[in-house]
Amino acid sequence: QLVLTQSPSASASLGASVKLTCTLSSGHSSYAIAWHQQQPEKGPRYLMKLNSDGSHSKGDGIPDRFSGSSSGAERYLTISSLQSEDEADYYCQTWGTGIYVFGTGTKVTVL
Amino acid sequence: EVQLVQSGAEVKKPGESLKISCKGSGYSFTSYWIGWVRQMPGKGLEWMGIIYPGDSDTRYSPSFQGQVTISADKSISTAYLQWSSLKASDTAMYYCARTARPRWDAFDIWGQGTMVTVSS
Repeated sequence: QLVLTQSPSASASLGASVKLTCTLSSGHSSYAIAWHQQQPEKGPRYLMKLNSDGSHSKGDGIPDRFSGSSSGAERYLTISSLQSEDEADYYCQTWGTGIYVFGTGTKVTVL
Repeated sequence: EVQLVQSGAEVKKPGESLKISCKGSGYSFTSYWIGWVRQMPGKGLEWMGIIYPGDSDTRYSPSFQGQVTISADKSISTAYLQWSSLKASDTAMYYCARTARPRWDAFDIWGQGTMVTVSS
């Protein structure tokens, strides 16, 4: 079964970095994922698509502070130089033929 | 500019029917899949289903199969999500989203969302 696992929360200080993890279920380690950001009271925004080899393509206007990487079944989103506007929920998403799955989301708090 | 514009907020009573819409512009509407995503108050994103407007090929999440109907009218570049009999538990924000490429892929463009409130 295709499942994505995310930690519920993460925090870091203003100007620091934070690394979020999204783990693919067993047997699905080759799958690409996408990262989406949802700021409070707003709709989701596409950040990037992240492949199993770590290559990624970002959405229009996404700052260089956002980067992605991969290792095995884990997909990472690193936010550098944290800004107050980065305080948001971050969801990973994956897909197969005829099925889409979202992770449960990670709430990022900027201290 | 590529965008998806959704219909406005709705307030309905249990048992009523409803159809909300998602209009695409700035791209070839028939070439990209359009998905629907539910977000209940204070909760995460849930994939409901997806449609290919080019031929109306539609797939549903097992959690939503039989509970909603997804359709599209390619002549007006609009996708729809409808309920025949709403329940209070359908109260949520609903988003449409487009795939990044003309096949199964990430959702790269999101609509602004439609809030549906079901209350007696």
